Amino acid sequence: GDSVTQMEGPVTLSEEAFLTINCTYTATGYPSLFWYVQYPGEGLQLLLKATKADDKGSNKGFEATYRKETTSFHLEKGSVQVSDSAVYFCALSGPHMRFGAGTRLTVKP
Amino acid sequence: GAGVSQSPSNKVTEKGKDVELRCDPISGHTALYWYRQSLGQGLEFLIYFQGNSAPDKSGLPSDRFSAERTGGSVSTLTIQRTQQEDSAVYLCASSLAILAGDTDTQYFGPGTRLTVL
Repeated sequence: GDSVTQMEGPVTLSEEAFLTINCTYTATGYPSLFWYVQYPGEGLQLLLKATKADDKGSNKGFEATYRKETTSFHLEKGSVQVSDSAVYFCALSGPHMRFGAGTRLTVKP
Repeated sequence: GAGVSQSPSNKVTEKGKDVELRCDPISGHTALYWYRQSLGQGLEFLIYFQGNSAPDKSGLPSDRFSAERTGGSVSTLTIQRTQQEDSAVYLCASSLAILAGDTDTQYFGPGTRLTVL
């Protein structure tokens, strides 16, 4: 069945470092791909999405490109901030979402 | 309110008791989903409702779990005879529609943290 595999972490970076969180998927058809973020003590928020191959989703300095040839949707940010500390979930659409295990990011000043 | 709301935010119960968790989706959203987030288990799909169609219950872990959606809006997730392994955060989400079998963007509520003693 459809599934998502993401780098589990935890990931610890210094402020202004480059971030990559890997996400790969297995799917039949052409799903939409999402990144959700969960800040401490809060619910999941949509960070970005892409609905077809080669689309790039972007928001708050984060980017991810839907790569059909590598079945990937890696999350990147050029310069992380302390406020980016959170858990990041890659997800795949379908009748319901399939989520990766989540990657905890801690950014230190 | 603009977002998905859930109540209660926290629920502590004793093993064997029944609990009800409530979700108010975003107005106009026809699809509603329940997920469970446990430590070490990630996000687990439980059930979804789409309009007037029969719900997809394929993710419910046992027959102690059930859910209803009244009037196409508010939903209640009921757990009967709670067990300690039911302790988790229960998340509700809604979306505009399920389009040709593919979910639209889902918007999540803050969750209900359930603790079974």
